[in-house]
Amino acid sequence: AQKITQTQPGMFVQEKEAVTLDCTYDTSDQSYGLFWYKQPSSGEMIFLIYQGSYDEQNATEGRYSLNFQKARKSANLVISASQLGDSAMYFCAMREKTRSNSGGSNYKLTFGKGTLLTVNP
Amino acid sequence: DAGVIQSPRHEVTEMGQEVTLRCKPISGHNSLFWYRQTMMRGLELLIYFNNNVPIDDSGMPEDRFSAKMPNASFSTLKIQPSEPRDSAVYFCASSHLVGLGANVLTFGAGSRLTVL
Repeated sequence: AQKITQTQPGMFVQEKEAVTLDCTYDTSDQSYGLFWYKQPSSGEMIFLIYQGSYDEQNATEGRYSLNFQKARKSANLVISASQLGDSAMYFCAMREKTRSNSGGSNYKLTFGKGTLLTVNP
Repeated sequence: DAGVIQSPRHEVTEMGQEVTLRCKPISGHNSLFWYRQTMMRGLELLIYFNNNVPIDDSGMPEDRFSAKMPNASFSTLKIQPSEPRDSAVYFCASSHLVGLGANVLTFGAGSRLTVL
């Protein structure tokens, strides 16, 4: 079963406007973390923002904010005042428990399929 | 810090050849991850290490894939023999295991593999 769902394969936004990229997740863990990464056309993966499941405030990092709705299991990324340089793929990821070869609990990041954001001038 | 360093950046090889991808994590990071990215399957976790010990290799597609981490500053992902369906971008990432920044992955630039 898909753990992270990004329903928007592509999004368009006008420069200087705000845009919301959707992400829903599925987990039975009480403690988990949600991440957003940006991948520009050059290919590198850039960490943007993190939200812990117990954090009561929505995370913010500059023009990025995470709209965390725990009951709905959604963690949407909001980019304010879009810039041309924001054009990229955006990936939502969740930290989840994984099995360990030696027993015990460990964690891994599972990524969604991504949303391609295009900022128009 | 120079970040996570991967080599080679690009590799073109023929089916049946052995491929070795290399990764140097950020100094002080004690978790290392190998991901594969394709258009069809997105980003898939292949294997990860904590303190040089393989923790979860359930994502390794088959026995042709193997990964090692002989010390805290070096890891390899080997494919032998390679097949065209192995063509992908392979990312190495590292993070702290605990504390601030735990599980925030820093990615390398990736190794683009093409198997003809």
